[in-house]
Amino acid sequence: GNSVTQMEGPVTLSEEAFLTINCTYTATGYPSLFWYVQYPGEGLQLLLKATKADDKGSNKGFEATYRKETTSFHLEKGSVQVSDSAVYFCALSGHSGNTPLVFGKGTRLSVIA
Amino acid sequence: GAGVSQSPSNKVTEKGKDVELRCDPISGHTALYWYRQSLGQGLEFLIYFQGNSAPDKSGLPSDRFSAERTGGSVSTLTIQRTQQEDSAVYLCASSLGDRGGGNTIYFGEGSWLTVV
Repeated sequence: GNSVTQMEGPVTLSEEAFLTINCTYTATGYPSLFWYVQYPGEGLQLLLKATKADDKGSNKGFEATYRKETTSFHLEKGSVQVSDSAVYFCALSGHSGNTPLVFGKGTRLSVIA
Repeated sequence: GAGVSQSPSNKVTEKGKDVELRCDPISGHTALYWYRQSLGQGLEFLIYFQGNSAPDKSGLPSDRFSAERTGGSVSTLTIQRTQQEDSAVYLCASSLGDRGGGNTIYFGEGSWLTVV
């Protein structure tokens, strides 16, 4: 079945540091890939997505590229801010129709000034 | 409202009692999902409704859990004879039903359930 593996946290970075959160997946066919973010005290919200190989999703300075050859969708940001402190979830959905998202376990990021 | 609405936002119940959690999806969204988020466990899929199709119940952890969706809109998740391990945040989400697998799924803020 479909599954997502993401690096375990917590991750602690200083402000303006470079961020990478690794995510790899196992799926049949051509899934869509997502990063969701959960800020403290808030609900999950979509950060970015990519629906086909080599697509790059981007939002708020974050980027992730759908790499089919390595089955990966790593999240990157060149310069993190304190306000980026949150839990980040990698997820995938199946190719056809509205299939439920399969989530990774989440990575907690803390950015310190 | 504009987003997915869940109630109650917090619920404390005694072990053995039944609880009902409600979800009001975004208007026009035909797909509705329930997930459970437990400390250190990530997000666990519970059940999925799509239009008039039979729901995908493959994620329900036991027969104490059930869900309904009336009129293709509001959904209720019911947990019977609650146990302490049921304590978690129960998240509802919805999405449009007219496209392929790339639909964005929108989440509510969750219902925090504590079983004492």
